[in-house]
Amino acid sequence: GAVVSQHPSWVICKSGTSVKIECRSLDFQATTMFWYRQFPKQSLMLMATSNEGSKATYEQGVEKDKFLINHASLTLSTLTVTSAHPEDSSFYICSATKTGIQETQYFGPGTRLLVL
Amino acid sequence: DAKTTQPTSMDCAEGRAANLPCNHSTISGNEYVYWYRQIHSQGPQYIIHGLKNNETNEMASLIITEDRKSSTLILPHATLRDTAVYYCIVRVAWSTLTFGKGTMLLVSP
Repeated sequence: GAVVSQHPSWVICKSGTSVKIECRSLDFQATTMFWYRQFPKQSLMLMATSNEGSKATYEQGVEKDKFLINHASLTLSTLTVTSAHPEDSSFYICSATKTGIQETQYFGPGTRLLVL
Repeated sequence: DAKTTQPTSMDCAEGRAANLPCNHSTISGNEYVYWYRQIHSQGPQYIIHGLKNNETNEMASLIITEDRKSSTLILPHATLRDTAVYYCIVRVAWSTLTFGKGTMLLVSP
């Protein structure tokens, strides 16, 4: 199998605080992980590509200082939303590709963030 | 990556085959056709992918036309749990996925 988990599944926080979301590949090693964001009734938008042991590559328009990504091991990537604001409220989804087989992405269940 | 065109929505009766079309007339020779689906409030689920041959797995069949300009995803016996948004994506191996609006498939009793 290829199972990807995320934690937490949902989080509510106050404006100005930081929130960390974890993405884990449970039964495989993932050299590359991806972070997406999805607003209501819209499609997934890629935010950044995370490679183990190196800096993440951010898509145009995504602030790297606001969305901190760390991919310290082959099974874990984290996304930290710093100084969150209500407009950051969204569904955050990660995906991972198996090391050496970078054809298919496997997605996590998503994390719903609500910033008050 | 080549652009895809899918119907906005489709209906299917439970137990019947669901045939979801996708046009990708500008596909290039090294681009694969991928299908994912997203059930409400969940992450996308990989279904199947192919290059030029038809493919089948435990979830679905993928039929790609000979000129590769279109494809059809077939769910042979749709169930209520197959209600989801289905995304057809063309991409070269190793590249990122770009999600369009997909097709909202509603399976009804």
